[in-house]
Amino acid sequence: GAVVSQHPSWVICKSGTSVKIECRSLDFQATTMFWYRQFPKQSLMLMATSNEGSKATYEQGVEKDKFLINHASLTLSTLTVTSAHPEDSSFYICSARVGTATYEQYFGPGTRLTVT
Amino acid sequence: GNSVTQMEGPVTLSEEAFLTINCTYTATGYPSLFWYVQYPGEGLQLLLKATKADDKGSNKGFEATYRKETTSFHLEKGSVQVSDSAVYFCALRGGTSYGKLTFGQGTILTVHP
Repeated sequence: GAVVSQHPSWVICKSGTSVKIECRSLDFQATTMFWYRQFPKQSLMLMATSNEGSKATYEQGVEKDKFLINHASLTLSTLTVTSAHPEDSSFYICSARVGTATYEQYFGPGTRLTVT
Repeated sequence: GNSVTQMEGPVTLSEEAFLTINCTYTATGYPSLFWYVQYPGEGLQLLLKATKADDKGSNKGFEATYRKETTSFHLEKGSVQVSDSAVYFCALRGGTSYGKLTFGQGTILTVHP
């Protein structure tokens, strides 16, 4: 099946610094990628949707200047958490979809971000 | 807006026991319903789906029936195995929000030998 990878799987950074998370579709081209955030024992919350070559569409309440999303190629999307603070500590998950005529999303394993 | 409510876990069962994980939803339009499973260290995987009322999704011995009258999509398996230990997420894709998934909070299932 389709595989999505994320890197790093786990990162610790100091408050005020920025951290970049990569999401790659390994064996297919993803026209759309989604970024989710998951708090402990809570649901996945959609942060933004990005289409290759276009600006990301952010969900209400998500700061676009803080969570920078780039989807420069059909196999790579990046999420940069800028000026991170402890409240940004969370589990970030990406997913990828092929084309627009399918519901199927393939999920990455997630990245655990801890801001100290 | 759309929402999904799952039974709270964790759920702990012995091997070969019967499993039910309840899921109810609120949505406008005619949503599609999904169950995803997340094994330790892996990404979410689609387990089964149903796209219209009375559809039954099934896979790997798991089943769920789309009940519009009760707005439910409960997950069942007749005989669980240790390898079924994972986190299970109920989700919907609303008819007016193509591609966007709304998830329940997840239910941790642990199966003991």
